Amino acid sequence: GENVEQHPSTLSVQEGDSAVIKCTYSDSASNYFPWYKQELGKRPQLIIDIRSNVGEKKDQRIAVTLNKTAKHFSLHITETQPEDSAVYFCAAQTNSGYALNFGKGTSLLVTP
Amino acid sequence: GAVVSQHPSWVICKSGTSVKIECRSLDFQATTMFWYRQFPKQSLMLMATSNEGSKATYEQGVEKDKFLINHASLTLSTLTVTSAHPEDSSFYICSARGPGSSTDTQYFGPGTRLTVL
Repeated sequence: GENVEQHPSTLSVQEGDSAVIKCTYSDSASNYFPWYKQELGKRPQLIIDIRSNVGEKKDQRIAVTLNKTAKHFSLHITETQPEDSAVYFCAAQTNSGYALNFGKGTSLLVTP
Repeated sequence: GAVVSQHPSWVICKSGTSVKIECRSLDFQATTMFWYRQFPKQSLMLMATSNEGSKATYEQGVEKDKFLINHASLTLSTLTVTSAHPEDSSFYICSARGPGSSTDTQYFGPGTRLTVL
């Protein structure tokens, strides 16, 4: 089955700096890659996603890049703010069953 | 749009009792819902895929007789933890595949915190 690796597990940046979180996946049939933000005790919130026919997608301060050949995708957050502090999960999905396989998460801390 | 609710938000029960958790898609029909389990400071682990009108598909290692899933309508899936034990204490989260063109997207419920004494 699909295996999603996520790095780093923790990330601390100063307000205004950029943050990058990287994920790799094992199943070449995966074709949908969402990123979720989860605050303590709350539901995961979709922040951005990308499909396999696209190499990059941007939404204001957030961008995701996908390298299908290398089977990795990354989340980029620019101009970080303290409210960006949360746990971020990447995931990969194949058409079969549509289930999401999650990475282990990155705890991002943005210090003022 | 694409709102998913869960009930209850938290529950405390005695060991040996059964607990039912409901997952509802409020403003769309969801033919497929998913149940995840999340331990503190860990990732979401898929337990099962719930398809409306058919039996759920369980992930390897998940006991189907212990975690009963029913998806009786296009807006409701239920997870029943039978004969709960302290090791079943966890955060249970459901998700539903999005409507229309967003069928890849999964929208998550707010989760249910289960504590078994």
